[in-house]
Amino acid sequence: QLVESGGGLVQPGGSLRLSCAASGFTLSGYWMHWVRQAPGKGLVYVSRINGDGTTTSYADSVKGRFTISRDNAENTLYLQMNSLRAEDTAVYYCAREQWLAKGRSWFDPWGQGTLVTVSS
Amino acid sequence: QSVLTQPPSASGTPGQRVTISCSGSNSNIGTNSVNWYQQLPGTAPKLLIYTNNQRPSGVPDRFSGSKSGTSASLAISGLQSGDEADYYCVAWDDSLNGDWVFGGGTKLTVL
Repeated sequence: QLVESGGGLVQPGGSLRLSCAASGFTLSGYWMHWVRQAPGKGLVYVSRINGDGTTTSYADSVKGRFTISRDNAENTLYLQMNSLRAEDTAVYYCAREQWLAKGRSWFDPWGQGTLVTVSS
Repeated sequence: QSVLTQPPSASGTPGQRVTISCSGSNSNIGTNSVNWYQQLPGTAPKLLIYTNNQRPSGVPDRFSGSKSGTSASLAISGLQSGDEADYYCVAWDDSLNGDWVFGGGTKLTVL
């Protein structure tokens, strides 16, 4: 199970840190991901991190502003969001990647999502 | 503009069979497997089909997936009102440094 927290209302230019707490499995064995969904829109990929936190990747829209990290001892994934913009307003989901082979993996489970609203 | 192309909407009557298409390219669907997610209103996405045609435990066999070349399809038979949801296809893309790519989603309406 994955449970996100940390969302809320923030002014443009502000910061938030999202958390994704895992239970029932050990986070360290998995790539983890953040996906967001603006109100009434589709799913958009945000970021990923490998099992030991040494490899990360970001969508161009958040590169340089967002930082993904993990604390395997606490079994928790994070997304530090800085310089927030109105277009970052969305529900943010964390998801675990299940890997079978190269090119054959999928996201399961997903968290319930946490809403981030960027507005003055 | 999503990398994977899905129709924005689909519809059917109870008991009917509907299909949702997902079109990509050689670098994503043509090379890698496709996964489908169901998002019921107000809820998080849920895995529906993985690696083109596999159903997780608990997903009814009314749901099936297929892939051919650079396209994939999700079929739902015996349509039920509870199937009304948004459906997304997702695949890994090998271009540049590699990335996950999503379809724009298809809103399924049960008439």
